[in-house]
Amino acid sequence: DVKVTQSSRYLVKRTGEKVFLECVQDMDHENMFWYRQDPGLGLRLIYFSYDVKMKEKGDIPEGYSVSREKKERFSLILESASTNQTSMYLCASSPTDREDGYTFGSGTRLTVV
Amino acid sequence: GEDVEQSLFLSVREGDSSVINCTYTDSSSTYLYWYKQEPGAGLQLLTYIFSNMDMKQDQRLTVLLNKKDKHLSLRIADTQTGDSAIYFCAEILYSSASKIIFGSGTRLSIRP
Repeated sequence: DVKVTQSSRYLVKRTGEKVFLECVQDMDHENMFWYRQDPGLGLRLIYFSYDVKMKEKGDIPEGYSVSREKKERFSLILESASTNQTSMYLCASSPTDREDGYTFGSGTRLTVV
Repeated sequence: GEDVEQSLFLSVREGDSSVINCTYTDSSSTYLYWYKQEPGAGLQLLTYIFSNMDMKQDQRLTVLLNKKDKHLSLRIADTQTGDSAIYFCAEILYSSASKIIFGSGTRLSIRP
């Protein structure tokens, strides 16, 4: 039973392309997050959202934007992809009850060439 | 500042116990978590502990919390090859409603 779905497992894009990474959750969670994961750096928070149409910057928002038009969907946008955005991107969602932690998607491995 | 630290690698023999350690900095954390990431997959919540607890046991997993030293550990008894993964320690910040800070992850490898 898949609960957080990321639209692609693997993506290859060219430098300068606009890239959309989609994430959908079916648990009616209020909160959604985008992380990138790089070897030795762990998970770094890009953007998060507490509600529809709300977004907040995480630790590394530069070069990214997000969209949350519906509660179940949180999109990460790379306005002009660059090679240093090659990474594993992880989406997560959580309810407002803190002890539930996050539920993660399977990740999207993006390669920018 | 917000920081969660853990060692990058741990190697244990199959059947032995694995102990993965973590230190955190935010004394107001209410929950601390252990996540597991298998190759090519997202993170899966293994267990969590509330900050007023010292220990939590769940089958082969034991979590110990030393709040004074801000030290969290995960013990896996009778380690199996299926336990090979990256394990992330994480804390939730009281100051941010649902923001969880992750460590860099400990890669656990199992020797035969």
